[in-house]
Amino acid sequence: NAGVMQNPRHLVRRRGQEARLRCSPMKGHSHVYWYRQLPEEGLKFMVYLQKENIIDESGMPKERFSAEFPKEGPSILRIQQVVRGDSAAYFCASSPDTVTEEKLFFGSGTQLSVL
Amino acid sequence: QQQVKQSPQSLIVQKGGISIINCAYENTAFDYFPWYQQFPGKGPALLIAIRPDVSEKKEGRFTISFNKSAKQFSLHIMDSQPGDSATYFCAALLGGDAGNMLTFGGGTRLMVKP
Repeated sequence: NAGVMQNPRHLVRRRGQEARLRCSPMKGHSHVYWYRQLPEEGLKFMVYLQKENIIDESGMPKERFSAEFPKEGPSILRIQQVVRGDSAAYFCASSPDTVTEEKLFFGSGTQLSVL
Repeated sequence: QQQVKQSPQSLIVQKGGISIINCAYENTAFDYFPWYQQFPGKGPALLIAIRPDVSEKKEGRFTISFNKSAKQFSLHIMDSQPGDSATYFCAALLGGDAGNMLTFGGGTRLMVKP
């Protein structure tokens, strides 16, 4: 049973370009969470999705950021017109449901560098 | 209300010593307190967790102490080993229908010297 898969591991973008980060949850998991980790800081919640639904996006910037978790395929975190301040590690986590918090697993993250 | 404050930011311990990391929270609606261990280039991995109805939980060399009245909890690593060198995050989870959105502390970078 593969873990939470994130790709790419490293992504380099120039200012103004778009970044697309992918997350495939663990098999059987229908809940996906995105977190952002700035250097020397803890993880900050961005968005919580279930299949085809955004449940909570209170941690996501209102502009340039969007997320989806389609019926088929991975969850995508999309950042438009990236700026240097978007440089961070983006982690995805998945769980089978909302009541078994012990079953929250993280991927290895995507390191986004904006030049 | 959503903050979890963690200290120290970094910690150096000799092999065999005890590592102690502290966290404090404000929101009394938090009802689950996990600790995560993160190695460089990896995602956080659940280490040990506690609920507020328990004052202490021990798993091997790792112990969580929980003080509900003070709204504080701590991680103790006994007989610290160089392999424990990593960044440790405390976190807190809201109960009820809030889903699994964890609020993380700022992290503690632990170095265990041989």
